[in-house]
Amino acid sequence: GAGVSQSPRYKVAKRGQDVALRCDPISGHVSLFWYQQALGQGPEFLTYFQNEAQLDKSGLPSDRFFAERPEGSVSTLKIQRTQQEDSAVYLCASSLEQRGGRSQETQYFGPGTRLLVL
Amino acid sequence: AQSVAQPEDQVKVAEGNPLTVKCTYSVSGNPYLFWYVQYPNRGLQFLLKYITGDNLVKGSYGFEAEFNKSQTSFHLKKPSALVSDSALYFCAVRTMFSGGYNKLIFGAGTRLAVHP
Repeated sequence: GAGVSQSPRYKVAKRGQDVALRCDPISGHVSLFWYQQALGQGPEFLTYFQNEAQLDKSGLPSDRFFAERPEGSVSTLKIQRTQQEDSAVYLCASSLEQRGGRSQETQYFGPGTRLLVL
Repeated sequence: AQSVAQPEDQVKVAEGNPLTVKCTYSVSGNPYLFWYVQYPNRGLQFLLKYITGDNLVKGSYGFEAEFNKSQTSFHLKKPSALVSDSALYFCAVRTMFSGGYNKLIFGAGTRLAVHP
């Protein structure tokens, strides 16, 4: 079946420009995560959705970062007024987690969007 | 604070030899542990996980990992390396009580190079 897809795969933005990154999770997956992976580093958690509800946004680095999942499927991560330090790979992951459970579910990752801010 | 350490930036092995990629963790409570692999310009691919039960976990592509609670380690192993195993490997952890969802904390990664 189809995995997690992300678009665009690559994005070059001028400093100060707004960008929007899209994630299509695996169909039926309740949970959706965004991670940021800086060059040479492991992924770092940004935010988490359970269906359409954003339950944790503790990892968003500033108020320039905004994520939404209005219908509980596709998610968009928006970065306003991009800065050079925003350059990274943005990974989306989904998992089949049930509300309130002690989840053992595996997160499945998309290919990522590589963002370069000039 | 929860953390994961991968003490080796790079591991080099000859094809056909056994390989080990090290991971240690620090969490409160019982850990859930994961290994992922990342090929160039690709996302993370799940290899295996430890939740509970047998300390030796078998995963994809012939990989296995051993959970050692006393040493707080979860080393990734394979009996016979292939050149195609060359990639970036990430260890990750979450605890059972991190808000009821599967928020992962990743190590910095270990680059595995298998030479012919």
